[in-house]
Amino acid sequence: GAGVSQTPSNKVTEKGKYVELRCDPISGHTALYWYRQSLGQGPEFLIYFQGTGAADDSGLPNDRFFAVRPEGSVSTLKIQRTERGDSAVYLCASSLYSAASGANVLTFGAGSRLTVL
Amino acid sequence: GDSVTQMEGPVTLSEEAFLTINCTYTATGYPSLFWYVQYPGEGLQLLLKATKADDKGSNKGFEATYRKETTSFHLEKGSVQVSDSAVYFCALSGGYRDDKIIFGKGTRLHILP
Repeated sequence: GAGVSQTPSNKVTEKGKYVELRCDPISGHTALYWYRQSLGQGPEFLIYFQGTGAADDSGLPNDRFFAVRPEGSVSTLKIQRTERGDSAVYLCASSLYSAASGANVLTFGAGSRLTVL
Repeated sequence: GDSVTQMEGPVTLSEEAFLTINCTYTATGYPSLFWYVQYPGEGLQLLLKATKADDKGSNKGFEATYRKETTSFHLEKGSVQVSDSAVYFCALSGGYRDDKIIFGKGTRLHILP
């Protein structure tokens, strides 16, 4: 697609429930990133994929968080047994490294706002 | 680990004022540096970047110079407009292909007409 698409845009759930957030990156972008942004804070890195594999998952806060990208395109972030502290905007970004510019530039989606009651 | 520190906001200026938002970084190796911007109701977008020491990134009248000696990447604009009101994030990547990008906490900028 033309941009990074994230669904749902808003999700309200109850403490202890399971949640899935979906990201559809820009076609052809090999790398896909998940970030979490709390109110008044900068994006906090969670995980990134290069193709189908997780290249770096050091930002996942605990084992309740898991992400997959089975075919190297769409990714799903899965949160088990949600807690109130998981409430945040979850951002997805994709990138295509530019050898010409020598930099890895991310294109972000609009985010999925998760509220855990 | 790598990190970015930027000045806390909010920063409030009058239209046509000079803007500086300070950013310093800590990194091993030779990171690439970025400024991203988040306008009200919109997603994060790249404003400018620099990939090596002494490079100057520029866009929409904003500039930032990669200073290795002071580990800084301060954002400047000579004459701000009301439409520049947004949250600005300084960020770095490790300089390796497709490495993760680390963001600062953001600086909210208000421009008064």
